[in-house]
Amino acid sequence: EPEVTQTPSHQVTQMGQEVILRCVPISNHLYFYWYRQILGQKVEFLVSFYNNEISEKSEIFDDQFSVERPDGSNFTLKIRSTKLEDSAMYFCASSREADQPQHFGDGTRLSIL
Amino acid sequence: GESVGLHLPTLSVQEGDNSIINCAYSNSASDYFIWYKQESGKGPQFIIDIRSNMDKRQGQRVTVLLNKTVKHLSLQIAATQPGDSAVYFCAERRGGANSKLTFGKGITLSVRP
Repeated sequence: EPEVTQTPSHQVTQMGQEVILRCVPISNHLYFYWYRQILGQKVEFLVSFYNNEISEKSEIFDDQFSVERPDGSNFTLKIRSTKLEDSAMYFCASSREADQPQHFGDGTRLSIL
Repeated sequence: GESVGLHLPTLSVQEGDNSIINCAYSNSASDYFIWYKQESGKGPQFIIDIRSNMDKRQGQRVTVLLNKTVKHLSLQIAATQPGDSAVYFCAERRGGANSKLTFGKGITLSVRP
């Protein structure tokens, strides 16, 4: 069964450094998402992406965040200058249509030192 | 305020019994609901979904019930197995062009052998 894959599984970065989290969505899906989950808390929406542009973003997704689909298979989340509070699990998801189930990857654990 | 939440933080059931996990939502504009299962170290795994024009949907060993009058969603798992032990989240999608999911806090299901 096709699945969303994310790399790396764990990223450790110094505060202030840039980090890029990578995702390969399911191949025939058109909608892409990033969510995050701080330890022990609920999953929070960051951004949705469709047709090569952001369709919706949360207040968490400030100017330090950006997303890109650099080619036909990858979907990336960049944090330009990381802060301690960016430490969390970051999940990528994709769906075939906007009203179809979103399928999640196993996440990247981001640890900011 | 608008929220999606779960009534109980933990649920312990005997193997073979049926489990019922409940969720309350407050946004009457929500038109699509999903249940996810999250095992340790993994991303949310899609279980079952239901649209607001339905009140019941069945899958393999799982049933989702939607009561729009009281804004209540439940997940029933028949003949609960040890492999069902996980954290369960309900999530809602608001109507219109929005595709983002708003997650509840999560409930831990623990299956006793």
